[in-house]
Amino acid sequence: AQKVTQAQTEISVVEKEDVTLDCVYETRDTTYYLFWYKQPPSGELVFLIRRNSFDEQNEISGRYSWNFQKSTSSFNFTITASQVVDSAVYFCALSVLSNTGKLIFGQGTTLQVKP
Amino acid sequence: DSGVTQTPKHLITATGQRVTLRCSPRSGDLSVYWYQQSLDQGLQFLIQYYNGEERAKGNILERFSAQQFPDLHSELNLSSLELGDSALYFCASSKQGANTEAFFGQGTRLTVV
Repeated sequence: AQKVTQAQTEISVVEKEDVTLDCVYETRDTTYYLFWYKQPPSGELVFLIRRNSFDEQNEISGRYSWNFQKSTSSFNFTITASQVVDSAVYFCALSVLSNTGKLIFGQGTTLQVKP
Repeated sequence: DSGVTQTPKHLITATGQRVTLRCSPRSGDLSVYWYQQSLDQGLQFLIQYYNGEERAKGNILERFSAQQFPDLHSELNLSSLELGDSALYFCASSKQGANTEAFFGQGTRLTVV
């Protein structure tokens, strides 16, 4: 069975601070995909990134960066110089090739960025 | 804008009633997924269709059913509604399966009173 754990339920930071959201996953499949989604207060789910299990390169997109480590089954997300607009619930998710693409979500981390 | 359209955005109905939620996937996407988001259960996969055929089932109640039509839009039917069915229902679409990202609609917030 697959599982995603986001141990941090809520994080509160002050604007311009860096913040890292943790994600730990479990799967026995060798081919799998990891995702991060953002859910702002308006409620929609916004796709941020997809990573496959064969690509452990870290990725940076503007103020966002992702660190994928198979050795620790982690796929952490860092926001540099956080802004109030980053306030949202962030979900880490997993899909496995053998499972048609359905996403298994973590419980989400609520990030509050204060001015 | 993800390109996935869900209607209605909000729905308030009474217990015992039946409702239909509608989803139009992104152009070119063959896979449609339905998810339920509730405070106690989080985001849960309900069901997936691929090019008109059911591909996978998750924690979907027997009172719930779905279908995907030839034009690839999908409907989720919820019947004999209970208070506990109140949740945010998301539709997502993707080109294929696990190796492509899914884009979500804005969701339908269902309130059962």
